[in-house]
Amino acid sequence: QKEVEQDPGPLSVPEGAIVSLNCTYSNSAFQYFMWYRQYSRKGPELLMYTYSSGNKEDGRFTAQVDKSSKYISLFIRDSQPSDSATYLCAMRGSKGNQFYFGTGTSLTVIP
Amino acid sequence: SAVISQKPSRDICQRGTSLTIQCQVDSQVTMMFWYRQQPGQSLTLIATANQGSEATYESGFVIDKFPISRPNLTFSTLTVSNMSPEDSSIYLCSAEAQGGEKLFFGSGTQLSVL
Repeated sequence: QKEVEQDPGPLSVPEGAIVSLNCTYSNSAFQYFMWYRQYSRKGPELLMYTYSSGNKEDGRFTAQVDKSSKYISLFIRDSQPSDSATYLCAMRGSKGNQFYFGTGTSLTVIP
Repeated sequence: SAVISQKPSRDICQRGTSLTIQCQVDSQVTMMFWYRQQPGQSLTLIATANQGSEATYESGFVIDKFPISRPNLTFSTLTVSNMSPEDSSIYLCSAEAQGGEKLFFGSGTQLSVL
């Protein structure tokens, strides 16, 4: 079983839609959760960071962590064509421990 | 956030040659890492670049194939040696910042080996 599972998509939505991206994980020791956005031919860009459980909102983006279900989500409201990218989830246990990544979900927002 | 400059951004190389990738961070960081990213797969950690000592390699990666330097707290290089087509991939430099909680990435090097 992989440490982190992420649906690779591809996901295609119309502009203005609400997008939900998800990852599941198996290690209950994970405490730090991140979402990255990666445009084609670019490196991953840190989008959202959450410690432990709960929600975090930043503009059109909301990250949720449900540690009881070992499930994290990224919501994008009012999606824009510029949101078209691959989204990677990442997590780790304690500081100094290895980061674990999902395989990424490819998102296309159609104007 | 840490700004990481990585170069070259892409290269096409012949089998049997070597390529050195450079990574510069805009602030001093303790931990720097090198990852490989292949289509449809999650990021694979190659090694941790340790300042002032030998890099720590993950299973399946060896120093002779992927020598790494880390002369100071802001700079590291990764060399891909004696390349074969199987080495074609995206190579990413990364660094921990902000108290070691967050991981930031360079723009990546797209390597194609013919």
